[in-house]
Amino acid sequence: DAGVIQSPRHEVTEMGQEVTLRCKPISGHDYLFWYRQTMMRGLELLIYFNNNVPIDDSGMPEDRFSAKMPNASFSTLKIQPSEPRDSAVYFCASSSRRNLAKNIQYFGAGTRLSVL
Amino acid sequence: RKEVEQDPGPFNVPEGATVAFNCTYSNSASQSFFWYRQDCRKEPKLLMSVYSSGNEDGRFTAQLNRASQYISLLIRDSKLSDSATYLCVVNPISSGSARQLTFGSGTQLTVLP
Repeated sequence: DAGVIQSPRHEVTEMGQEVTLRCKPISGHDYLFWYRQTMMRGLELLIYFNNNVPIDDSGMPEDRFSAKMPNASFSTLKIQPSEPRDSAVYFCASSSRRNLAKNIQYFGAGTRLSVL
Repeated sequence: RKEVEQDPGPFNVPEGATVAFNCTYSNSASQSFFWYRQDCRKEPKLLMSVYSSGNEDGRFTAQLNRASQYISLLIRDSKLSDSATYLCVVNPISSGSARQLTFGSGTQLTVLP
C-alpha cells in the first residue's frame, strides 16, 4: 500500500497567490482529515470528511480556506488568497471505521508551505 | 488553556538514560489516550495507546491518571534512534461526531551519544 500521498511536498508562494494542496488517501479509507502544524500552535485539525462529505470544518481558520473531496480517492485544501501567517506544514490523514475505532489515523508526509 | 499540554523540552539525555514525559488534558470526559512520535520533518506516527492500567511496549511504558488528568511516557535505556518529538494525543468526547484526535504540541527528545 502506498500510504497517504500528498503533493506538493514543498510549496513556496507569494502573499496573495492561490495555493492548492492535494491528498490521496489510502484506498478503502472513508475518513479523511486535514491538519495544520506550526511551532506555535502544534498540530490542529482543520476539517474532516466521511464518505467524501465534510463533517466538521470548525477548525478552518477563515473563509480564505476551503476543502473539497470530489471522490473517495482525492481531496484538496485551497487557500485563496494566501498570507504569510498561513506558512506551516499541512498534513492529510486517512482512516477507516475499523481503524478509527482504535483511534488510528495514517498521515501523509505533509506539504511544507511558505508564503512570502 | 490548551486542551492538551506538554512540556516542549527539549530534553537532551545521554544514551542509556531513562527519560519521562508528562502531559495533562483539560477535558475530564476524554476516553482515549495515545503517544505519537514525529521524526524531524516527517509525519506523526502512532507509538502506543495508553490504557487505564498502564501498559508497556518494550522499553516504553505509558501511564494514565484519570483523577489528575495526566498521561506519562517513560523510555528506558534510550537509544539514539529515540530522538524525535513525542506528541501526547487525546480523543475528546464530542457527541454526534466521529472520533477526532487532539494533539499536544509535543516534547522534543534528543538522545546524545
